[in-house]
Amino acid sequence: GDSVTQMEGPVTLSEEAFLTINCTYTATGYPSLFWYVQYPGEGLQLLLKATKADDKGSNKGFEATYRKETTSFHLEKGSVQVSDSAVYFCALTLSGTYKYIFGTGTRLKVLA
Amino acid sequence: DTAVSQTPKYLVTQMGNDKSIKCEQNLGHDTMYWYKQDSKKFLKIMFSYNNKELIINETVPNRFSPKSPDKAHLNLHINSLELGDSAVYFCASSPRERGTDTQYFGPGTRLTVL
Repeated sequence: GDSVTQMEGPVTLSEEAFLTINCTYTATGYPSLFWYVQYPGEGLQLLLKATKADDKGSNKGFEATYRKETTSFHLEKGSVQVSDSAVYFCALTLSGTYKYIFGTGTRLKVLA
Repeated sequence: DTAVSQTPKYLVTQMGNDKSIKCEQNLGHDTMYWYKQDSKKFLKIMFSYNNKELIINETVPNRFSPKSPDKAHLNLHINSLELGDSAVYFCASSPRERGTDTQYFGPGTRLTVL
């Protein structure tokens, strides 16, 4: 079935370090891919998205490229800040459906 | 203006009780969802409504009953609460376009069953 696999956390980095959070997916059809971020005590909010192969989503210094050949959508940021500490969720949805499939989430902790 | 709101934010209750969580969205979206997030942050879809019609009903115990009085509201009623129901429940909404929808989440309701 359709699924999203994220790297296990927690990920602990020093401020200004480079961040990669891996996400791979399995889907029948052509999914749209998303990264959501959940700050402590809050609901999820969209960070970025890509709707077709080779699209790059970007926001707040974060980037992810839709790679159909490797079925991946890895999240990257060149220089993380303490304020980036949160849980990050990779997700997909399939055209013609209402269903969202979320990964298990990856907790990021950035130390000053 | 709050886009997706939920009440209450915290709910503490005894096993066996019946409780409701309310959700409202002012975004004009056609589709609304309920999710359950457990203590490990795993997010699982429970229900989805489109224009007041139930379209997704995952394998959720029938003690959980969603109700959508209109497009802007999706409430969740839970009967005979159990310890395992303790979690954070999120409401979300999304626009009509399928396949590329962004989901807009409420702030969550933390349910604790004692």
